[in-house]
Amino acid sequence: DVKVTQSSRYLVKRTGEKVFLECVQDMDHENMFWYRQDPGLGLRLIYFSYDVKMKEKGDIPEGYSVSREKKERFSLILESASTNQTSMYLCASSPPGTSSYEQYFGPGTRLTVT
Amino acid sequence: AQKVTQAQTEISVVEKEDVTLDCVYETRDTTYYLFWYKQPPSGELVFLIRRNSFDEQNEISGRYSWNFQKSTSSFNFTITASQVVDSAVYFCALRDDYKLSFGAGTTVTVRA
Repeated sequence: DVKVTQSSRYLVKRTGEKVFLECVQDMDHENMFWYRQDPGLGLRLIYFSYDVKMKEKGDIPEGYSVSREKKERFSLILESASTNQTSMYLCASSPPGTSSYEQYFGPGTRLTVT
Repeated sequence: AQKVTQAQTEISVVEKEDVTLDCVYETRDTTYYLFWYKQPPSGELVFLIRRNSFDEQNEISGRYSWNFQKSTSSFNFTITASQVVDSAVYFCALRDDYKLSFGAGTTVTVRA
């Protein structure tokens, strides 16, 4: 089974802090994704990566950056956390190539910025 | 542009009732893929089904069934004889290239 793990289930940070959210997958997937989930808005794509050191902006990249130094690991970085970044963050991975593949999701990190 | 609309925010039913979740999508692409995911209280999204735009056959998997109608751009999901374990948030999603566009989700509560 595909396993996508996220470093924390719950995280509380202060405004202005630099925050790192880590995601690791064990299925050698090329594609990895970061979403945020907010009530009434569903999941919105922040960034995705289709290869090591490659990244593409999603729909809401402002205030975020990402890092993919190894194939299995995709990090989301909040350079200076703000209260409007309080949300559930979900990481996902999928095989390369065609868009027919489903994405496999991690359990999520609920981040609170105070 | 892509858009997925799940008009029902919340649905509450009593166990053994059937429940249908609506999903309407917009896309200009002729080739696309539609998905349903389930998010139980534990938080992890679970893949339920994938359907490509060229396959309009309905599908049944146990108590779950899906009705894809290209003419109305809809991909509806029915749970037959619902159970308490079906309580979750259900998301419909549309995929083009690498990206998934999700609907807002429908929260289903099944009461015993």
